[in-house]
Amino acid sequence: QKEVEQDPGPLSVPEGAIVSLNCTYSNSAFQYFMWYRQYSRKGPELLMYTYSSGNKEDGRFTAQVDKSSKYISLFIRDSQPSDSATYLCATFISNFGNEKLTFGTGTRLTIIP
Amino acid sequence: DTGVSQNPRHKITKRGQNVTFRCDPISEHNRLYWYRQTLGQGPEFLTYFQNEAQLEKSRLLSDRFSAERPKGSFSTLEIQRTEQGDSAMYLCASSLKEIDRVLPEAFFGQGTRLTVV
Repeated sequence: QKEVEQDPGPLSVPEGAIVSLNCTYSNSAFQYFMWYRQYSRKGPELLMYTYSSGNKEDGRFTAQVDKSSKYISLFIRDSQPSDSATYLCATFISNFGNEKLTFGTGTRLTIIP
Repeated sequence: DTGVSQNPRHKITKRGQNVTFRCDPISEHNRLYWYRQTLGQGPEFLTYFQNEAQLEKSRLLSDRFSAERPKGSFSTLEIQRTEQGDSAMYLCASSLKEIDRVLPEAFFGQGTRLTVV
C-alpha cells in the first residue's frame, strides 16, 4: 500500500463547476499536506499547504485536511480552462531523517470550456 | 529568473552510456532534493542534501546513481550505464531549513526528461 493514495482520474468537468480532488494517507505522523499543480511536461508548482487538520482558502482554491480520517481534499471554485492540469497531493514530515515530500500519483483534470 | 534551474531539459542517450544532470537551486535555499517521475505517477524521492551533505538516499537510488553538491550550491545527478528503465523525468527541488525547523515549501525546477534508447 502506498503511503499516499490518489485517484488518477482523468476527471473532466465543465467550466464554472466546483472541482473536488481527494487523497488519503496512511502515516499518522505526517504533519503538512501540500497541493501541487503540474502542467504537461513542466515541473510541479506549489499551490498551497496546510498544517494539521482544518481548512485553508486561497482565492478559488480551498484545501481541507481531516487527520482523524486521514483524508486530504482540494476544492476549486469557478473552474477555468487554465486549471486543466495534473494535481498532486503530497505529505511532509518535519522530523530529522525523514524530511521529504511523499506524493500521490496525481489526478489529471480537464476543464471543458 | 530566480527559480530552480535544471539542465539539460531533454536528454536522449543510448543504453549503457553515462549521463549527468545539473540543478541550480534558489540561491538562499540550503536544502536540495532530487525526485524521479515516470508517466502517470507522482514524483518519487531519490535523495536530498543539506548544504553539501547528502543526508538521505532512497533505496530507488541504485549503485549506478550518484549525486553531489560539492559547494552547497548547485548539484549534479549522474547515472552510469543507463538502462531503458531509467527513462523518466528527473526533478530537482529546493527549500529552506531554518535553525529550528524545516519549511515544507519545496520549489521544483522544470525537470530533465531522460530517454534511454
